[in-house]
Amino acid sequence: DTAVSQTPKYLVTQMGNDKSIKCEQNLGHDTMYWYKQDSKKFLKIMFSYNNKELIINETVPNRFSPKSPDKAHLNLHINSLELGDSAVYFCASSQRTSGRGEQFFGPGTRLTVL
Amino acid sequence: SQKIEQNSEALNIQEGKTATLTCNYTNYSPAYLQWYRQDPGRGPVFLLLIRENEKEKRKERLKVTFDTTLKQSLFHITASQPADSATYLCALVPNSGNTPLVFGKGTRLSVIA
Repeated sequence: DTAVSQTPKYLVTQMGNDKSIKCEQNLGHDTMYWYKQDSKKFLKIMFSYNNKELIINETVPNRFSPKSPDKAHLNLHINSLELGDSAVYFCASSQRTSGRGEQFFGPGTRLTVL
Repeated sequence: SQKIEQNSEALNIQEGKTATLTCNYTNYSPAYLQWYRQDPGRGPVFLLLIRENEKEKRKERLKVTFDTTLKQSLFHITASQPADSATYLCALVPNSGNTPLVFGKGTRLSVIA
C-alpha cells in the first residue's frame, strides 16, 4: 500500500496554463506539506496543513493555492504557470506538526513548464 | 544569515569502509535534527532523528551525532555497501513551535565495489 501518493508523476505544460497536483496519504496523519525541489536539488517547504487548516505558508507566489478537502488530501493548484515553476514538487505527511516527527514523502511530481 | 550546509556535494567511498557525512549549521538553535535518504527520481525517506540533548543515535549500520557546541551533525554508515549509494539530506527544526523543517542540499554518496 502506498503511504503518500501523488498524481501526476510528470506534468509538461505551456507557460500561462493552470494545473493541479493531487496528494493523498493513508497513514492517518494530521499534518501534510508541499515542498519544492529545484534543479539544484534544494528542498524547500511551501505549505503545511494541519487537520485541513493552513499553518505554514512560506514566501510563495499567490499563484500557488493549496486546498485540503479533508485531512487525507492536500492538492496544489498553480495558476499562470511560469518557466521558473519547473521543479519537482513533493507532498509529505507527518503525525506531528513541525519537525518533531519523521515525514513521509510522496514520489514527487516533475513539472516542466515550456 | 541562517545556513545549513552539507559541505560535500559528493563523496566516493570504497565498499566496506565507513562513510562520514557532515552537516553544519549557522545561526540556528535546532531542537531536532533529522537525516533522510533520497534515491534518484524518488522522495526522501526518513532515517534518523536526534534531539538537542542527545549526543548520539544508532540504527543498524547508521550512527548520527549532534554537537550543539560545534553546531554540527555527523552521519556515519559503517561497512558501506553499493546499495547505500544515494543522496543524504540533513534537516533541522529551527526552534520550538510550528516551524518547518529546513533541509540542507544533500551529499551524494557513491559506494564503489
